Amino acid sequence: ETGVTQTPRHLVMGMTNKKSLKCEQHLGHNAMYWYKQSAKKPLELMFVYNFKEQTENNSVPSRFSPECPNSSHLFLHLHTLQPEDSALYLCASSQEQGEDSPLHFGNGTRLTVT
Amino acid sequence: EDQVTQSPEALRLQEGESSSLNCSYTVSGLRGLFWYRQDPGKGPEFLFTLYSAGEEKEKERLKATLTKKESFLHITAPKPEDSATYLCAVQFFMEYGNKLVFGAGTILRVKS
Repeated sequence: ETGVTQTPRHLVMGMTNKKSLKCEQHLGHNAMYWYKQSAKKPLELMFVYNFKEQTENNSVPSRFSPECPNSSHLFLHLHTLQPEDSALYLCASSQEQGEDSPLHFGNGTRLTVT
Repeated sequence: EDQVTQSPEALRLQEGESSSLNCSYTVSGLRGLFWYRQDPGKGPEFLFTLYSAGEEKEKERLKATLTKKESFLHITAPKPEDSATYLCAVQFFMEYGNKLVFGAGTILRVKS
């Protein structure tokens, strides 16, 4: 398998549930990212990991908790979300954070919070 | 403030009707400008990187150009399969490192 793979593709959860999003990249990259995409808005950077170390937390509420066990895997743990958190969550990877190389995106998880 | 602005927000073209999408930016210290294509239900797919004013890149019916304050994505004789959302992103230098900012995208519909 190549590229960036995200699971699940769709997720519906209640406000009191706990769930996790998973991302795996097979590109040999060292940086991984979580983005939130809402309709008609620019992609919002949430978290960045570079060589497994978290380097950015873009003022994200604590109900979102990232985890990066190695350079190939990235998780986003969700708990007590709000309806306004419904969006497409995109994982991306790049060779290294801060370099001029492009991001490679997965196909996202469409999250609906009820 | 908006640092990266894409226009128009949406564009409808007839098949074969050439046009351009615009990405303007107000940041200084440009490191690179990226164009992506995003199909419904999928993640953005990388198209081009432009690094300096005057640079051009081409791929099939698409041609990207860059000036000091904006980039254009020219679409020549588009086909229905070119329908997608086109995103641009600008990477610029800040004191603590590079930052990448995305525009909101242009939704392109090409009708046969």
